[in-house]
Amino acid sequence: AQSVAQPEDQVNVAEGNPLTVKCTYSVSGNPYLFWYVQYPNRGLQFLLKYITGDNLVKGSYGFEAEFNKSQTSFHLKKPSALVSDSALYFCAVRDSPNQGGKLIFGQGTELSVKP
Amino acid sequence: DAGVTQSPTHLIKTRGQQVTLRCSPKSGHDTVSWYQQALGQGPQFIFQYYEEEERQRGNFPDRFSGHQFPNYSSELNVNALLLGDSALYLCASSRGTGPNQPQHFGDGTRLSIL
Repeated sequence: AQSVAQPEDQVNVAEGNPLTVKCTYSVSGNPYLFWYVQYPNRGLQFLLKYITGDNLVKGSYGFEAEFNKSQTSFHLKKPSALVSDSALYFCAVRDSPNQGGKLIFGQGTELSVKP
Repeated sequence: DAGVTQSPTHLIKTRGQQVTLRCSPKSGHDTVSWYQQALGQGPQFIFQYYEEEERQRGNFPDRFSGHQFPNYSSELNVNALLLGDSALYLCASSRGTGPNQPQHFGDGTRLSIL
């Protein structure tokens, strides 16, 4: 069965510093990986996806993610954090890639960026 | 360009009642998926609709049912509500069911069961 794990419940970063939110995955075939962000009392906003190609994927709001097949990881990164980046971040993997299908989400990581 | 819209935003029900939640997909999208997000958890997939048919279903009981209309909008129905059904219910839409297509989420319906 496909699964994702986000090993950190919370990440604290000072504004202006780089940030990393970790994600590892387990799939039986080629992975289809996604990052979403959720602000309080809102739905999930799509940030970026990895389907195939370059291991470094660029997304919205200055975020990027690094795909590492040997370590089965897909960590979310940003060179310089903003206070407004404080939110809940979810990594997700697509089930049944040949048929589209559901997204399987991790438990989420709460990012707190302090001024 | 309107995104995914869900109604109502909040709902309070009692055990045993039935509820219907509604979703209009983003313009140009024809596939709708429903997720349940319990407090402090990641979203859990309920089911997906495409061409007015349920295409895939998660590990949810038959009390959870849905429908998709010709205009691609969708409803989620839950019968015989339990306290454990209290959650944020999220609708997501996409253009087709292909794996390349990201799902775009609405802001959800917060369902509270008393």
